[in-house]
Amino acid sequence: AQSVTQLGSHVSVSEGALVLLRCNYSSSVPPYLFWYVQYPNQGLQLLLKYTTGATLVKGINGFEAEFKKSETSFHLTKPSAHMSDAAEYFCAVSGGGGFKTIFGAGTRLFVKA
Amino acid sequence: GAGVSQSPRYKVAKRGQDVALRCDPISGHVSLFWYQQALGQGPEFLTYFQNEAQLDKSGLPSDRFFAERPEGSVSTLKIQRTQQEDSAVYLCASHTNEGAGGNEQFFGPGTRLTVL
Repeated sequence: AQSVTQLGSHVSVSEGALVLLRCNYSSSVPPYLFWYVQYPNQGLQLLLKYTTGATLVKGINGFEAEFKKSETSFHLTKPSAHMSDAAEYFCAVSGGGGFKTIFGAGTRLFVKA
Repeated sequence: GAGVSQSPRYKVAKRGQDVALRCDPISGHVSLFWYQQALGQGPEFLTYFQNEAQLDKSGLPSDRFFAERPEGSVSTLKIQRTQQEDSAVYLCASHTNEGAGGNEQFFGPGTRLTVL
């Protein structure tokens, strides 16, 4: 069985500050890990994903995430927040040869001017 | 190119009515998923199709929920005798099925269902 826990349903940062969104997962098989972003009234869009290989993954819009197997974590970071980063962010896990993807409950990011 | 489209975008139903939600995936995408997203929650898996075959329907919450993809492209999610707890956003996603897992899913904008 797989599960995802996102720590903090709401995160607020100032424009220009570091963004850190936390995600921990549970998986009995090697996981594939994803971060998706959802803007209001839009579908989810992939930010980045980890499948195999390099554990530091770079995505779109300056985001990156590091897969840490020992900590079962896949935290999302961005060095400097922009107002346009305000959205809902979802961490997700899949794996084991199947296609089922399990999503976390989401973290809403607020960016203050 | 065109993305995943869903219709209607908004649906209001009286309790007990049947509804049908449509998903047009990206052309050529073999895999198609349906998710239910309740207010303030992440998407929850409902069912998965590979072409016209429904390979996993373990997430369908009851036998009132039925999904089909008869020609391997457009899919319809049908909910019979709707209940208030069915109120949610229903998301459709597709991908190219290049290898098992690890694939980026392309999501539609969703259908917001409100059951009164």
